[in-house]
Amino acid sequence: AQSVTQLDSQVPVFEEAPVELRCNYSSSVSVYLFWYVQYPNQGLQLLLKYLSGSTLVKGINGFEAEFNKSQTSFHLRKPSVHISDTAEYFCAVSEYGQNFVFGPGTRLSVLP
Amino acid sequence: KAGVTQTPRYLIKTRGQQVTLSCSPISGHRSVSWYQQTPGQGLQFLFEYFSETQRNKGNFPGRFSGRQFSNSRSEMNVSTLELGDSALYLCASSLVDGRGETQYFGPGTRLLVL
Repeated sequence: AQSVTQLDSQVPVFEEAPVELRCNYSSSVSVYLFWYVQYPNQGLQLLLKYLSGSTLVKGINGFEAEFNKSQTSFHLRKPSVHISDTAEYFCAVSEYGQNFVFGPGTRLSVLP
Repeated sequence: KAGVTQTPRYLIKTRGQQVTLSCSPISGHRSVSWYQQTPGQGLQFLFEYFSETQRNKGNFPGRFSGRQFSNSRSEMNVSTLELGDSALYLCASSLVDGRGETQYFGPGTRLLVL
């Protein structure tokens, strides 16, 4: 069964600074990878996903992620964060589109 | 296109009671999944329904059950509520396209058990 690790439970960063949120997964088969964002008191919103093809995936709100098969990672990056990016970010993996598993989440706090 | 809707948004119950939560997926979506989100356990998969059949099930006791109707709307029921059932219950719908199921989430139902 697959699993997802997000090593950083909290990431504080100053506004306009770059940020990287780390995600590692384990699976014995090919997987699909996702990043979701959850703003306070709201449901989850899809940021981006990797199904196949180019390993660099661009998403909404200026976020991008790179799939690295050898390191089983799917780190999320943004070159310049805004206060409005303050939220919780979840990495998720599914095997052939089934059995969705979420990581524990990383709380991003953007400081003025 | 309207998003995933969940009703009610907030609910307060007492131990021993039962509760039914409702989820209306995005039009055309046939798969509905339910998740429980708590500060301690994070997001945990409850079950998934596709075409009125339960396709996947997480590791939750039998007090948690669900069903899906022919119009893809889904309900989740929790019987004999316990304090630990207090959580945000999220519903997500998917359009099964065979290339990876992106899930679209509703705003959730926040359940408080007293």
